[in-house]
Amino acid sequence: GAGVSQSPSNKVTEKGKDVELRCDPISGHTALYWYRQSLGQGLEFLIYFQGNSAPDKSGLPSDRFSAERTGGSVSTLTIQRTQQEDSAVYLCASSLVGTGYEQYFGPGTRLTVT
Amino acid sequence: EDQVTQSPEALRLQEGESSSLNCSYTVSGLRGLFWYRQDPGKGPEFLFTLYSAGEEKEKERLKATLTKKESFLHITAPKPEDSATYLCAVHEQGGSQGNLIFGKGTKLSVKP
Repeated sequence: GAGVSQSPSNKVTEKGKDVELRCDPISGHTALYWYRQSLGQGLEFLIYFQGNSAPDKSGLPSDRFSAERTGGSVSTLTIQRTQQEDSAVYLCASSLVGTGYEQYFGPGTRLTVT
Repeated sequence: EDQVTQSPEALRLQEGESSSLNCSYTVSGLRGLFWYRQDPGKGPEFLFTLYSAGEEKEKERLKATLTKKESFLHITAPKPEDSATYLCAVHEQGGSQGNLIFGKGTKLSVKP
């Protein structure tokens, strides 16, 4: 079946611009996660959605980052006023339940801020 | 101090040369430990979940084991197609329900 999909696959933007990254989870998965992977660093947790519960935003690095999940499916991660340090690969994952069950990752969006 | 540490950072093997990758963790309580494989330019691919000390899981040439402080990923008679970065992650008791804590990975290269 279809896996997690993300778009765009690559995004180059100028410093100070806003960007939106999209994630389509596996159908039927109730939990959705966003991570960031910088060169030489491990995956960094950003935000987690589970069903209709309030999202866990504890990993968002600043108030320039926000995310929403519409209809319990598609999610959008928005970065406002991008900075060069935001350059990274942004990964989305989904799972059947949100308590550590296996997370299945999308291919990621490579963001470059010039 | 990192809560999840993987070693070595990089490992080069000849085809058929068995070895092990290590993942040590210092979280106060473990709900689960996960192994992923990541190929260049792709997202991590799920391999195994381990929940309690003494547990073992196998898949083809890979075998994952778990103790109270660390996990090992044993690779038996590796092939070039096993070349990838292997990531370990833990789900901590009492932590965010969604937060897996990842190590920085071990980059494995298998030469023919």
